[in-house]
Formats: sequence, C-alpha cells, structure tokens
Amino acid sequence: AAGVIQSPRHLIKEKRETATLKCYPIPRHDTVYWYQQGPGQDPQFLISFYEKMQSDKGSIPDRFSAQQFSDYHSELNMSSLELGDSALYFCASKGRNQPQHFGDGTRLSIL
Amino acid sequence: GENVEQHPSTLSVQEGDSAVIKCTYSDSASNYFPWYKQELGKGPQLIIDIRSNVGEKKDQRIAVTLNKTAKHFSLHITETQPEDSAVYFCAASRPDSSYKLIFGSGTRLLVRP
Repeated sequence: AAGVIQSPRHLIKEKRETATLKCYPIPRHDTVYWYQQGPGQDPQFLISFYEKMQSDKGSIPDRFSAQQFSDYHSELNMSSLELGDSALYFCASKGRNQPQHFGDGTRLSIL
Repeated sequence: GENVEQHPSTLSVQEGDSAVIKCTYSDSASNYFPWYKQELGKGPQLIIDIRSNVGEKKDQRIAVTLNKTAKHFSLHITETQPEDSAVYFCAASRPDSSYKLIFGSGTRLLVRP
C-alpha cells in the first residue's frame, strides 16, 4: 500500500540558512500534519492542513511556514535556521474517519 | 491544553511475557487514542487505536483498554517477541482541534530473548 513519502531523508544545513522539507501524503488523504521530534523526545505538533487550508497551528516558530498545494503535497519552509532546529521532522496524512499515518521523516542537522 | 502522561519510560521483559504501558490524559474532550510503535530511523507506525465509545479493543497479541472516567488508557502486549522491542507512544486527540495528536513521552520496550 502507498505510504507517506518525505524528502529529503537527510538534510545538513548551517546556521542562518534555509531549508525546505517536502511531504507527499497517501492518495485521497485530505489532511496533512507536520511534527517535530527532538532526540529522545515525543513528536510535537507544528501545523496541519485540511483540503489545502491551514486547519490548526501548534508550537511552530515564526521562522517556519508551510503550505499544501493543489496536488495535496505539502512543504515546510524553515528560515534563519538555528542549532536547536536540529531534529526529525515527520509528516503524517489522514483520510476521513481514518488514523494518521506517518512518513519516515527528514533528519535535519544544523552545523 | 491536552497533556498526556505515559509510564513507564523503560520496560524490560523476558520473551513470552506480557508488557503493559499506561497513559493518562487531561482533556475530557479527547475522544481518540492511538498507539504508535517507533523503530530506530523510522516514523511512528500505528499499531492499534480506540475511540471513546469503546472500552476495549484487541488485535491478535495487542489490546488497548480505555477508562473514560479515570482518563486512563493502556496498551497490553502478550507473548512478547524480540521484534516487539521499540519505543511505544500513546497519543490523544479531539475532533475540534483537527485531530492533531498529543503524544505521551514514550516507553522504550526491550524484549530479552
């Protein structure tokens, strides 16, 4: 079965650079979620989109923005990167009356 | 907002024994409680979930129980196998917050052969 696809799997950036993470949800899923997971921690909700509109917002820094496109893929844009942004970033997608399914994440390392 | 507490943080069992992980939640409006298994280098994988109108759900060796009054829910794994070793997260969500997941802090389960 098709799963959530995230790219890239690994990304290395330097402080103050920008990064773009991409997420391709499971076909026919109408909701996308972004989570951030620090080392040894649980995933923390950042932002979600339902039918291409932002549906909820969590502890996402102002330096981050996200959107969902007409083909339902989503991008998380991160600017002025800081050392503390080093983490795993997960995308999850959900269909109506279905559970969230996660991708395998993007590991972002800030040098 | 919702807060989910999970215990224990680590659990070591002998192969074939049972393992129980417990979570409590704070928001009485939460009505959906999934459990995820996360292996190293991978994303969380849904293993079982339960809705607030159900008290118990079972899928082969895995079961989840929910006590709405006490705001407790638990994961039970029977006949544990070494491949069950992973980090397990409970989570809670509510429909009026886009069903975003609020996770517990995780339990590292080690099954000794």
